[in-house]
Amino acid sequence: DIQMTQSPSSLSASVGDRVTITCRASQGISNYLAWYQQKPGKVPKLLIYAASTLQSGVPSRFSGSGSGTDFTLTISSLQPEDVATYYCQKYNSAPLTFGGGTRVEIK
Amino acid sequence: EVQLLESGGGLVQPGGSLRLSCAASGFTFSSYAMSWVRQAPGKGLEWVSAISGSGDSTYYADSVKGRFTISRDNSKNTLFLQMNSLRADDTAVYYCAKLRSVVVVAATNHWGQGILVTVSS
Repeated sequence: DIQMTQSPSSLSASVGDRVTITCRASQGISNYLAWYQQKPGKVPKLLIYAASTLQSGVPSRFSGSGSGTDFTLTISSLQPEDVATYYCQKYNSAPLTFGGGTRVEIK
Repeated sequence: EVQLLESGGGLVQPGGSLRLSCAASGFTFSSYAMSWVRQAPGKGLEWVSAISGSGDSTYYADSVKGRFTISRDNSKNTLFLQMNSLRADDTAVYYCAKLRSVVVVAATNHWGQGILVTVSS
């Protein structure tokens, strides 16, 4: 099965900083990758699908890129409401594996 | 508005069984694949199982294969997860989730509120 590895596992950044989270697949998955945001105590929310397509209603400071095995989620200007854990998920075929998550905090 | 409401969770002894249900509304249920995702206390998301819109295709994580069965009743807009031979490491919040397509090769765009399953003696 394909493994999904996220890095870093956690990060602390200042408001307004550019934040980058990486997700690596152990084999190529084309662009079958989604990113989710889970705020503390809340249900996960879809941010990006097809590696770079922004889900309706998601702020434009979020963006995704990549194809094949290496993917990136970028927050162009970190806001206090972005404190959350972010997960990638591959969906090219089952199992629809999630990455381990990246916890984002404000410095 | 899409709504997914899980039920059937609770406390069960190791080796026991439980059946989760998810009542769906606000969309054409049979037109979308569905899945179950779980999250153990303080841990990350773990995909458990998925089923196509027609119910003809089902998929499982290795950790639950042979113990859990996913099914759906499109006439009642309801998704199920039959969980047998439960173990302590099955303890988690279980989320019912709607995928973006009739096939399971799709991202998840709606989640239920989740329901807690605790496996303990």
